[in-house]
Amino acid sequence: DQQVKQNSPSLSVQEGRISILNCDYTNSMFDYFLWYKKYPAEGPTFLISISSIKDKNEDGRFTVFLNKSAKHLSLHIVPSQPGDSAVYFCAASEGSNYKLTFGKGTLLTVNP
Amino acid sequence: EAGVTQSPTHLIKTRGQQATLRCSPISGHTSVYWYQQALGLGLQFLLWYDEGEERNRGNFPPRFSGRQFPNYSSELNVNALELEDSALYLCASPVSPIGYTFGSGTRLTVV
Repeated sequence: DQQVKQNSPSLSVQEGRISILNCDYTNSMFDYFLWYKKYPAEGPTFLISISSIKDKNEDGRFTVFLNKSAKHLSLHIVPSQPGDSAVYFCAASEGSNYKLTFGKGTLLTVNP
Repeated sequence: EAGVTQSPTHLIKTRGQQATLRCSPISGHTSVYWYQQALGLGLQFLLWYDEGEERNRGNFPPRFSGRQFPNYSSELNVNALELEDSALYLCASPVSPIGYTFGSGTRLTVV
């Protein structure tokens, strides 16, 4: 049972445009959500997070939106840059539990 | 502070052999998490060690095991290797509130 789903394996956008990566979850007990970015041959690195008490969190070019009723979150990257090309993982946790449940990832390609 | 370090970077083993992967967490951190990233799959939780004890394990067979040493470094052992064990194995230190700091991983290839 996949509790965190990233239904788009890949996404391609033009430099300067918006990238929108989506993530759905099924476990209503999840209350903290994170996005990680992963380049080949490297471990994932933290990008941005959001608590379930918020519906939006912004950090520079990156914004995460959370829709609890739909059990859906999205990551917006504006403007997209070629260096943003990587695999993006959505992850969720329950309470103060550090055990994260990850989605399968979305490969973002930003074309110059 | 030094990050999470893993060794070796790459490991090639034959089916049926055993593999040993090593991890050193962030200095002073007592917890180590292990994840597996197989092709086409997300990161799957394997094991959590804290203060030398196994605290939780994911849905993996018993041939996946490990231990944590007094200096908090950790070993992941995979016995009776199967082809589908080929994956990137990631070790992480929990860092509030961002979840984890990951190591660069060990790429295990079973032939």
